Amino acid sequence: GENVEQHPSTLSVQEGDSAVIKCTYSDSASNYFPWYKQELGKRPQLIIDIRSNVGEKKDQRIAVTLNKTAKHFSLHITETQPEDSAVYFCAALRVGGNEKLTFGTGTRLTIIP
Amino acid sequence: DTEVTQTPKHLVMGMTNKKSLKCEQHMGHRAMYWYKQKAKKPPELMFVYSYEKLSINESVPSRFSPECPNSSLLNLHLHALQPEDSALYLCAISAGPDAGELFFGEGSRLTVL
Repeated sequence: GENVEQHPSTLSVQEGDSAVIKCTYSDSASNYFPWYKQELGKRPQLIIDIRSNVGEKKDQRIAVTLNKTAKHFSLHITETQPEDSAVYFCAALRVGGNEKLTFGTGTRLTIIP
Repeated sequence: DTEVTQTPKHLVMGMTNKKSLKCEQHMGHRAMYWYKQKAKKPPELMFVYSYEKLSINESVPSRFSPECPNSSLLNLHLHALQPEDSALYLCAISAGPDAGELFFGEGSRLTVL
């Protein structure tokens, strides 16, 4: 089955600086890679996703990049703000493969004011 | 905001009690999920219902019993739970069983005494 590794487990960034979270996956057939943000005491929320037919996707201050050859994908947050503080989970899935979404272990991001 | 409503938000029960968690969705999505989340861990899949039929049971102990009465409702019946079952129980929906984009409810925080 799929295995997703996520690094770092914790990350502290000065407000206004950029943050990068990296994930690697094992199954080359995986073709869908979402990122979830979970604030303290709240539900995970999908913030951005990327499919294997593109290499990069942006949505305002967040972007995701995908390197299929190396089997890794990354979340980039620019101009960080205090409300970006949360736990971020990456995940991988082979759409149409009748398999479950596999999550990474999570990164606790803290934005220092 | 995504309409996935879970009740109750908090539940405290003894090991001999019988209780139920409820999930209701108004998105018309045909796949519904139960996840269990322990502190500082990613969500862990328990069950998947596809078109109101149980399609995945991740070897969950029989003290957890899912039910899908119709396309809008998902229940999780609890009986004879253990203290280690204390966790956040998340309901999620997606357009299909492996469509990828999961939308989570706010969760039910369960404490077993």
